[in-house]
Amino acid sequence: EVQLEESGGGLVQPGGSLRLSCMVSGFTVSDYFMDWVRQAPGRGLEWVARCTSKARGDITVYAASVRGRFSISRDDSKNSLYLQMNSLKIEDTAVYFCVRGYNSFDTWGQGTLVSVSS
Amino acid sequence: DIQLTQSPSSLSASVGDRVTITCRASQDAGISLAWFQQKPGKAPKSLIYAASTLQSGVPPRFSGSGSGTDFTLTISSLQPEDFATYFCQQYENYPYTFGQGTRLEIK
Repeated sequence: EVQLEESGGGLVQPGGSLRLSCMVSGFTVSDYFMDWVRQAPGRGLEWVARCTSKARGDITVYAASVRGRFSISRDDSKNSLYLQMNSLKIEDTAVYFCVRGYNSFDTWGQGTLVSVSS
Repeated sequence: DIQLTQSPSSLSASVGDRVTITCRASQDAGISLAWFQQKPGKAPKSLIYAASTLQSGVPPRFSGSGSGTDFTLTISSLQPEDFATYFCQQYENYPYTFGQGTRLEIK
């Protein structure tokens, strides 16, 4: 069964850092494009970042709102995806979903909440 | 960026009704358009990709159509479990973008 499980969310002060993890089971993470999508409380969905598959060169792409602050990466030995978030802002507060980028976004994790507040 | 505008923003309907939600793109999205269903407190669920292709396991009462800038999601006969919020999403160009959502409520 294909499953994505996020962890690492929590409360952090503005300017702080947090690293989200996404443990993948049921498929090999390096074979697929993988994304992070977020949803602010009571709001819509916002695509955050993408890492292409190993076969497509491990290329990373970011939304303008996070470029230069966030970094997406993969650990193939752990079959996991990560999102390093630095210089966090209040407006980064959201539930962050790990998503498999196959046929658009076919499989989603349950999400992990990141709250940025002083 | 490609902006997506959904209409209506909310919709009240009854079990058994046929409902249609539209999604208009600010520029050509080809057929790189997907639809998602989200229930409160849950992750979105993929329904349709490539404008009209059902994801595996999605009931055939859901259908999608369109290309370019105008797309529709149709539910042919509403079931109780279909009351949720629906989002469209384009993956033609980065940044990938979503519509603002259509909340489907029970009348």
